[in-house]
Amino acid sequence: LAKTTQPISMDSYEGQEVNITCSHNNIATNDYITWYQQFPSQGPRFIIQGYKTKVTNEVASLFIPADRKSSTLSLPRVSLSDTAVYYCLGEGYNNNDMRFGAGTRLTVKP
Amino acid sequence: EAQVTQNPRYLITVTGKKLTVTCSQNMNHEYMSWYRQDPGLGLRQIYYSMNVEVTDKGDVPEGYKVSRKEKRNFPLILESPSPNQTSLYFCASSLGPGQGYNEQFFGPGTRLTVL
Repeated sequence: LAKTTQPISMDSYEGQEVNITCSHNNIATNDYITWYQQFPSQGPRFIIQGYKTKVTNEVASLFIPADRKSSTLSLPRVSLSDTAVYYCLGEGYNNNDMRFGAGTRLTVKP
Repeated sequence: EAQVTQNPRYLITVTGKKLTVTCSQNMNHEYMSWYRQDPGLGLRQIYYSMNVEVTDKGDVPEGYKVSRKEKRNFPLILESPSPNQTSLYFCASSLGPGQGYNEQFFGPGTRLTVL
């Protein structure tokens, strides 16, 4: 099981690019890295998932270096509506459970 | 529409009165799980199920029971609720770990207050 570590909080301003890094030093060979977004009183919502190198979708990019001991979620040009808690999660091939950490609370200011 | 539903959405009860929170998914997912969320503690997994009749404990299973008699349903049972179980509960489903691309779908949450 990949135990993950993220910053507790981050602040940004509208229009800026935000990068949130997650450490997962003991990630297993078959673990995927997944990021979720959660707004207050709502369930988490899937953002992006990757195994290595770079993955991009319409919402974000995910960078995973060759050693896979960390990953970085990149949100281009954030807006006020991106204020939320972001979780990284290691999901493994042989893991029978998937655990969330405390997440990173991103606050986007005008 | 692909979704996970939970009922009730809000519940206020008293200590010791048994309750069940239902969870249902329409995506034919094998994996289902229950989480509780408390301020400052993020999401903590209570129980999960890899398939019908297969359940296992998560991080905080004490005081909870689950069952998985059908693939689509995964009820959470509190036999004797206590005030420390006051929390926001989420049910989730997915194809399951080891499936390659894997996205957990979450329900809307159940806010439980135990007096």
